[in-house]
Order: sequence, then C-alpha cells, then structure tokens
Amino acid sequence: DTEVTQTPKHLVMGMTNKKSLKCEQHMGHRAMYWYKQKAKKPPELMFVYSYEKLSINESVPSRFSPECPNSSLLNLHLHALQPEDSALYLCASSPGRGLAKGDTQYFGPGTRLTVL
Amino acid sequence: LAKTTQPISMDSYEGQEVNITCSHNNIATNDYITWYQQFPSQGPRFIIQGYKTKVTNEVASLFIPADRKSSTLSLPRVSLSDTAVYYCLVGDEPAGTALIFGKGTTLSVSS
Repeated sequence: DTEVTQTPKHLVMGMTNKKSLKCEQHMGHRAMYWYKQKAKKPPELMFVYSYEKLSINESVPSRFSPECPNSSLLNLHLHALQPEDSALYLCASSPGRGLAKGDTQYFGPGTRLTVL
Repeated sequence: LAKTTQPISMDSYEGQEVNITCSHNNIATNDYITWYQQFPSQGPRFIIQGYKTKVTNEVASLFIPADRKSSTLSLPRVSLSDTAVYYCLVGDEPAGTALIFGKGTTLSVSS
C-alpha cells in the first residue's frame, strides 16, 4: 500500500468554526508533513513530524494546530480561520531516513478548504 | 538548502521527447536531486531521484553532470496526459525535515 489518504476531500467553513483535517498512511513511514498550496503556486511547508514529534513549524499562525496521534495518523486542527487561508492542504509522508539516504515524500490528494 | 531554478513553462507535442533542466549551483556534497509531477488539484507525485550520472525508471530519465550544478529530467515520447507542473528539488535535510518547492515548470503537451 503506497497511498496517503486525506479526509475530507472538500471542506467549507466559516471563520468561527472549528474543523479538523485528517491524513493516514500505512507504509510504515516515520515522517509526516502538512503543506499549504494556493492556486498556481508551489506547496508551502507548514509542519513536519518526525517519529511522532513535531520537528519543524514554519512559523505558521496558531489558528492551525497539528497533531500526530501515532506514526500512521496526522491531523490538522483549524480554528478561527481567515478567508485567505482558503487553499489546498496537502499531507505527505516519507520513510524518515533522510534525503542523504534517498528519502522521498508521498503525497495525498489534498483537502480543498474554503473559508467564508 | 540549495536553491533551484527551472524554466517557468515549456510547450511540446505528443510523441516528442521533453527535457527540463534545473539549475542548482550551490548543491551540497550530500544533496540528492528529486523531481515531482503535479496535476491540478492533486498532490505532487514522485517521478525520479538521483545523486550523480544517470538514473532511469519506467517513467523518466534523470541526467546529472559531473559537477552536479544542474540536472535534466527527460520524458520520452510525451502524451497529453503528461501536461502538468514539474518540480525539481534538492536537499539533504536529516530525517523528518522536508524539501522546499521552487516555482516549477508548467509543461503543456498538444496534439
């Protein structure tokens, strides 16, 4: 199984709502990532978990809160978002052995988020 | 992190070979070079990765000269379905860190 799954596929929320995005992989990978991608722009890294510990937080606003319950699951909790947060949110995983040993990322299909 | 530079866009016709070159002048000794493909509203898909010389898989070839300051992704006999954005990434972060995506190359294949 070389698939990363993300739910939901689409999400529409108001600025006062609280919602969560979910990501799952069963490849035994030990690193998981959240990216944000705006239209016609490259993906931007938000968070990285390595061996279930947050290792990188690219100064993302606190209205985004990641959670890694175990090595197969990754959540992104959303609260009080702004319309400019509307984007495609991508989850990825990698073996976690590091690029020096040919680590590569596998991406999910993304969640299309619209904030009204 | 080594910065990468790619052409913004390329056009091709079905059946042609397409070569996309990426410059990475400050690549470090341990850096690998990785290429991803992305279709609209989908996540990027790994295409190929290499360290030096030439790498080939069922989808593409990757040519890396001896100085490793550039690399070329070669797509043989492209079809309409190869229309996508192609990203070249270079990095040697330790496990658990990630790659920074450059602007990518938008390839348009016509019939």
